[in-house]
Amino acid sequence: GAGVSQSPSNKVTEKGKDVELRCDPISGHTALYWYRQRLGQGLEFLIYFQGNSAPDKSGLPSDRFSAERTGESVSTLTIQRTQQEDSAVYLCASSLRDNEQFFGPGTRLTVL
Amino acid sequence: DAKTTQPPSMDCAEGRAANLPCNHSTISGNEYVYWYRQIHSQGPQYIIHGLKNNETNEMASLIITEDRKSSTLILPHATLRDTAVYYCIVRVGNNQGGKLIFGQGTELSVKP
Repeated sequence: GAGVSQSPSNKVTEKGKDVELRCDPISGHTALYWYRQRLGQGLEFLIYFQGNSAPDKSGLPSDRFSAERTGESVSTLTIQRTQQEDSAVYLCASSLRDNEQFFGPGTRLTVL
Repeated sequence: DAKTTQPPSMDCAEGRAANLPCNHSTISGNEYVYWYRQIHSQGPQYIIHGLKNNETNEMASLIITEDRKSSTLILPHATLRDTAVYYCIVRVGNNQGGKLIFGQGTELSVKP
């Protein structure tokens, strides 16, 4: 079946612009996660959605970062006024409740 | 911060068993040990997880010491396609906890 998909696969933007990254989770998966991976580094947790519960936003690095999820479907991660240090691969994962997480291919964001 | 320590890199000959160690000396009673791997330019992939008993699936075996302070992931017959970064993660519960806290992982190179 279809896995987690993310779009765009690559995004180049200028410093100060806003960007929106999209994640389509596996159908029926109630949990959705966003992570960030800087070049040569491990993954950093950003935010976690589980059903109708309040999201766990504890990993968001600043108030320029926000995310929304509509029900148990699509999620968007928004970065406002992008900075060069925001350059990274942004990975989305989904899971059925909190079991094994299935990761998407990621969006590579480059801020010039 | 990650609660695990792993060697930064390891080599393994193709066809031989790859044994990847992980220390998690501060693991709590309700925390599971999870292993994921990340092949270059792809999202992480779940391998296996366990609480205190040894586990085996089609990909690997997980051996957890009796005191649960360390574990070993075993790839019984490594292939070139197993070259990846392997992450050992401790996480609360089997159906709880949400986010994964990734450390730096072990970069496994399988050589012909």
